[in-house]
Amino acid sequence: GQNIDQPTEMTATEGAIVQINCTYQTSGFNGLFWYQQHAGEAPTFLSYNVLDGLEEKGRFSSFLSRSKGYSYLLLKELQMKDSASYLCAVDPGGYNKLIFGAGTRLAVHP
Amino acid sequence: EAQVTQNPRYLITVTGKKLTVTCSQNMNHEYMSWYRQDPGLGLRQIYYSMNVEVTDKGDVPEGYKVSRKEKRNFPLILESPSPNQTSLYFCASSRRQGIAETQYFGPGTRLLVL
Repeated sequence: GQNIDQPTEMTATEGAIVQINCTYQTSGFNGLFWYQQHAGEAPTFLSYNVLDGLEEKGRFSSFLSRSKGYSYLLLKELQMKDSASYLCAVDPGGYNKLIFGAGTRLAVHP
Repeated sequence: EAQVTQNPRYLITVTGKKLTVTCSQNMNHEYMSWYRQDPGLGLRQIYYSMNVEVTDKGDVPEGYKVSRKEKRNFPLILESPSPNQTSLYFCASSRRQGIAETQYFGPGTRLLVL
């Protein structure tokens, strides 16, 4: 089967760093995406990893370990506007779709 | 502006009354897809289209139909809506389906079936 797990909710303080984990078990792997989704809005693309290691993009970084079926999204210098859900999605290859996790709802408080 | 649009954004209907949710993209994308999003379940694919006149079922196609007569449009049809189709629906598109192809999502359609 295809399965993606991520924590349901997390809280963090403005200015801090938070790490959102994602583990996956899929029949194949063509890459892992992270999307951000504010309440009631469309998901928007944050990052893509297909090779092991860390990809940095401003305040956001994403890490992948294919051997462990594991990824994380690291958010630095948290701002109130970072309060959103973060969706982990895997392209299993050959299925013409992405498989999404249920999302992690992040609340940033002052 | 490059975008995916959906209409309507909000819809309340009754069981059995046929409805269509439109989706249009202006990026000349080949691949389009419909998802539904329910609490605790994440985004689940309903149908997808690799190109004009090429459509196929996703994970949860029951009760839905689609068509792709033009590259830019991909309507979702509920022939006889039922309460279990109450959900938040997203249309998405990408240049094509393949490695590293980012999907761009429409603003969503919130549907309530009474």
